[in-house]
Amino acid sequence: GDSVTQMEGPVTLSEEAFLTINCTYTATGYPSLFWYVQYPGEGLQLLLKATKADDKGSNKGFEATYRKETTSFHLEKGSVQVSDSAVYFCALSGPLMNRDDKIIFGKGTRLHILP
Amino acid sequence: DAGVIQSPRHEVTEMGQEVTLRCKPISGHDYLFWYRQTMMRGLELLIYFNNNVPIDDSGMPEDRFSAKMPNASFSTLKIQPSEPRDSAVYFCASSRGQGSSYEQYFGPGTRLTVT
Repeated sequence: GDSVTQMEGPVTLSEEAFLTINCTYTATGYPSLFWYVQYPGEGLQLLLKATKADDKGSNKGFEATYRKETTSFHLEKGSVQVSDSAVYFCALSGPLMNRDDKIIFGKGTRLHILP
Repeated sequence: DAGVIQSPRHEVTEMGQEVTLRCKPISGHDYLFWYRQTMMRGLELLIYFNNNVPIDDSGMPEDRFSAKMPNASFSTLKIQPSEPRDSAVYFCASSRGQGSSYEQYFGPGTRLTVT
């Protein structure tokens, strides 16, 4: 079945460092891909998404590009802040406009930014 | 809008007791989802509803778990009897639709501890 694999954490970086969190997926067809973020004590929030190959999702300085050739959707940010400390989830769903597909989440990567 | 509301935020109970978790979705959202989050298994979809009707309960772990949605503004997840392995964070989420076109909005979660 469809699945998402993301790098295990925790990832610890200093403020202003470059961030990459790797995510690869296994799916039939052309899934939509997402990154969700979970801040301490809160539920998940959608961070960004991409619905077709070569699309780039971006939000709050984070970016991820849908790479079908490598089945990847790595999350990047050029300069992280302490406020970015959270758990990040890569996820996939069915193709755009397919109403019956559930979202499948990865296990999450905890990010800790040191001041 | 107040967002998805869950209660209680924390629940500690003894093995064998009944536990009821509550959720109020965002007004106007037709879909409601119950997830369970553990370190070992990550985020798992338990059940989801469309217009108050359960659509897919294949993620419900066993008969001890049941969920209801008596109206558009309220849902419950019940565990009876509870067991220590049920300890987890339970999230409720809602959305206007299903599939990648629609963002799921998560509540803050209920942290359940069964001793």
